[in-house]
Amino acid sequence: DTAVSQTPKYLVTQMGNDKSIKCEQNLGHDTMYWYKQDSKKFLKIMFSYNNKELIINETVPNRFSPKSPDKAHLNLHINSLELGDSAVYFCASSQGIGGQPQHFGDGTRLSIL
Amino acid sequence: AQSVAQPEDQVNVAEGNPLTVKCTYSVSGNPYLFWYVQYPNRGLQFLLKYITGDNLVKGSYGFEAEFNKSQTSFHLKKPSALVSDSALYFCAVTDTGTASKLTFGTGTRLQVTL
Repeated sequence: DTAVSQTPKYLVTQMGNDKSIKCEQNLGHDTMYWYKQDSKKFLKIMFSYNNKELIINETVPNRFSPKSPDKAHLNLHINSLELGDSAVYFCASSQGIGGQPQHFGDGTRLSIL
Repeated sequence: AQSVAQPEDQVNVAEGNPLTVKCTYSVSGNPYLFWYVQYPNRGLQFLLKYITGDNLVKGSYGFEAEFNKSQTSFHLKKPSALVSDSALYFCAVTDTGTASKLTFGTGTRLQVTL
């Protein structure tokens, strides 16, 4: 059973389009995250939700909007896609925010044409 | 601000030899330290963490790490490397004030050869 699952795995689209990535975790965790990994493998946090409440909102363009309908789901919507948005986006989850290990999905590879 | 440095882009070691992947950190409070491993086209997998207590932490797949407060280091070690250990390794840190916000290092590629 996949603990943290993301869909789609690959996303190829044109500049200017709007797209969404979905994430679901079946671990019963109460905290979820979105990370961006660039082509040099640098990993940076974007957002985090704890019990559906936004607790981390890094310096990310407001074209990126996360939404957590419940504790098991965290989606990411991106408007007006730009070339620089090409990256791998990872969803992760953890139990609590007190330094617990984060469990990662396998990523969504977004390519902007 | 918190930061992590992984000074080596790549570490090469022969199978059966010991390996060390270096990590130093900077935080304003007490650190929570983590090591993760990433295989190609996969997400990060948790290896081990240091929160408090014994400075030598044992983790998955025979890996261990030593917390050194005076040197602000948390090096990853394994006594005998396997070819299957070849992957990208990330050190990460947060402090007790921002416990959910992990800052990752730039990663170290470990290459284990026969």
